Formats: sequence, C-alpha cells, structure tokens
Amino acid sequence: KAGVTQTPRYLIKTRGQQVTLSCSPISGHRSVSWYQQTPGQGLQFLFEYFSETQRNKGNFPGRFSGRQFSNSRSEMNVSTLELGDSALYLCASSLVRGGEDDEQFFGPGTRLTVL
Amino acid sequence: EDQVTQSPEALRLQEGESSSLNCSYTVSGLRGLFWYRQDPGKGPEFLFTLYSAGEEKEKERLKATLTKKESFLHITAPKPEDSATYLCAVSSMFSGGYNKLIFGAGTRLAVHP
Repeated sequence: KAGVTQTPRYLIKTRGQQVTLSCSPISGHRSVSWYQQTPGQGLQFLFEYFSETQRNKGNFPGRFSGRQFSNSRSEMNVSTLELGDSALYLCASSLVRGGEDDEQFFGPGTRLTVL
Repeated sequence: EDQVTQSPEALRLQEGESSSLNCSYTVSGLRGLFWYRQDPGKGPEFLFTLYSAGEEKEKERLKATLTKKESFLHITAPKPEDSATYLCAVSSMFSGGYNKLIFGAGTRLAVHP
C-alpha cells in the first residue's frame, strides 16, 4: 500500500510570495492533518480536514489555510510568506473509525525555505 | 494548557545497553498517547498508541507503557539502527476535535557499536 505522498519535496520562495503544498493520503484514509516542524518550536498542529471540512485548527495566523478535495487529497496554502515560515511541513493521514483517534501516518514532508 | 515534556533531550547508548525514554504529559482528558520515530530528513514513523493507564505495547526491541501522568519507551539491547529522534504526542478529548496531536520536543537517541 502506498504511503502518504507530498509534493513538492523542496521549495524555495522569497518573502511576500505565496505557496501551495499538496498531500495525497493513504488510500482509504479520510482524515488529513497538517503540521509545521521547526528546530525551535518542534512539531506544531496546523489544521485537520475530514470529508472536505476543517474539523480542527491550531494557533496559526490566517495566512495559513487549507482545503480537502472529494478524493481526500489536501492542499495547504501560505500567503505573504515570512522568513519565519521556513520549516518542514508535514502531512499525516488517518483512517477514522467510529469517531476515535486513529494512528496518523506521516508523509516525508515539504521543506520550505523563505529567503 | 495541554503540554508534553520529553526527557532526556539526548541520549547516547552503547549497543546492547538498555534504557528508557520518558514522556510526561498534562492534558485535559487524555484521548490517546502516541510514540513516533523520526529519522533525519524524514517524516515521523508511527510506533505505538496507548489509550489507558496500565496499557503496554511491544514491537521488536521497543516497549511502551502508560501511567496517568507519563509514558515510558523502553529500549532493550538497542542496535545502531535504533538511532533516531523519538517523539511523544497526545490528543485531548477537549482539544476541539479529533486528530490534533500535541508533540513533545523529542529525545535524540544515538546508539554506538
């Protein structure tokens, strides 16, 4: 079974630009969560989507947004990039059984560098 | 505020030298506690989920245990390939929904031959 895939794997942008990252979950998984990982703050939750609806959101500014498509694929967008947005952006998918937390399986991440 | 603290920050072991990693948590209504392993430049790899105090799970040289305040990841007779960062995360019943994990900073484990 194929794992979670993320594209692109590496991205270099300049301040003020916007960026869109893509995530394809494991086949059959309906929940997609996004996390930001930095050396200083560690792994921080951005948001989670299930059935094309955002169910949960972390403490990030409105410049960070996302969406989920009917095939469960997800995208996240960051507008007006700042230097501090440089990070590894991780996507995780889970099955969702009976409303309980399921194991989240992570993709390899997208390394975003903002210059 | 929900919080996860892992100790030690870094651990160096000789091959075969068993040890334990600690994960202390403060959470309003624990839904689940998760252990992940992360290799440099890669996404976290799922290891275990624990749901209630007293629960234990094993996988090869790893064993995870859970109490009401902390979890331990025991590594028995580690090998160099066990070198990685081990991450602990919790989900809360009151975090506003499902699948929102709060991560600790991790323990960097180095196992030397």
